[in-house]
Amino acid sequence: DTGVSQDPRHKITKRGQNVTFRCDPISEHNRLYWYRQTLGQGPEFLTYFQNEAQLEKSRLLSDRFSAERPKGSFSTLEIQRTEQGDSAMYLCASSLVLGRNEKLFFGSGTQLSVL
Amino acid sequence: DAKTTQPNSMESNEEEPVHLPCNHSTISGTDYIHWYRQLPSQGPEYVIHGLTSNVNNRMASLAIAEDRKSSTLILHRATLRDAAVYYCILRDERSNYQLIWGAGTKLIIKP
Repeated sequence: DTGVSQDPRHKITKRGQNVTFRCDPISEHNRLYWYRQTLGQGPEFLTYFQNEAQLEKSRLLSDRFSAERPKGSFSTLEIQRTEQGDSAMYLCASSLVLGRNEKLFFGSGTQLSVL
Repeated sequence: DAKTTQPNSMESNEEEPVHLPCNHSTISGTDYIHWYRQLPSQGPEYVIHGLTSNVNNRMASLAIAEDRKSSTLILHRATLRDAAVYYCILRDERSNYQLIWGAGTKLIIKP
């Protein structure tokens, strides 16, 4: 078990560019989450997958954001036409849901800076 | 969405117990109480969770009030490595089990 890994750790981009982040969850975990976190705040839910199906997206999620989880393994989060307000830490978490209990395991995040 | 209220920050001395409070007066009967912590420059880390009874694990203890409207995370002997932001979260059936995170409590450990 190597934990949840995210790549890259840091990304600096210019406004208007597209960026893509990758998350590799713990291998037997069936659920994968994306969160966004800004300084001094708790993580904000973006979307989650149950295996390969994207089951929920935050109402706050702009249509510039898209996430995929092909074959229910790794996931990618793409942001198109980035804006300065997209600057944040993007966190991925995975879990193995057993009944009503769920424990999330987080990666170290991708820090995005939009100039 | 069920919400939690925590102090913005707390200080404690190293090797002393720490009691981190959390209020959740709108908790429903099926909401689990979860605690996570986030060390600097890292993603959050699971600490403990419970429903009604007090819970213990190797990291901490969770004391849940009888009416479930509040809970306390107890670190029995804080070390400098416990300095982190601690989040008290409800796993809310009404929001499709999504964890609704607040700003947490920043715990400062003094040597």
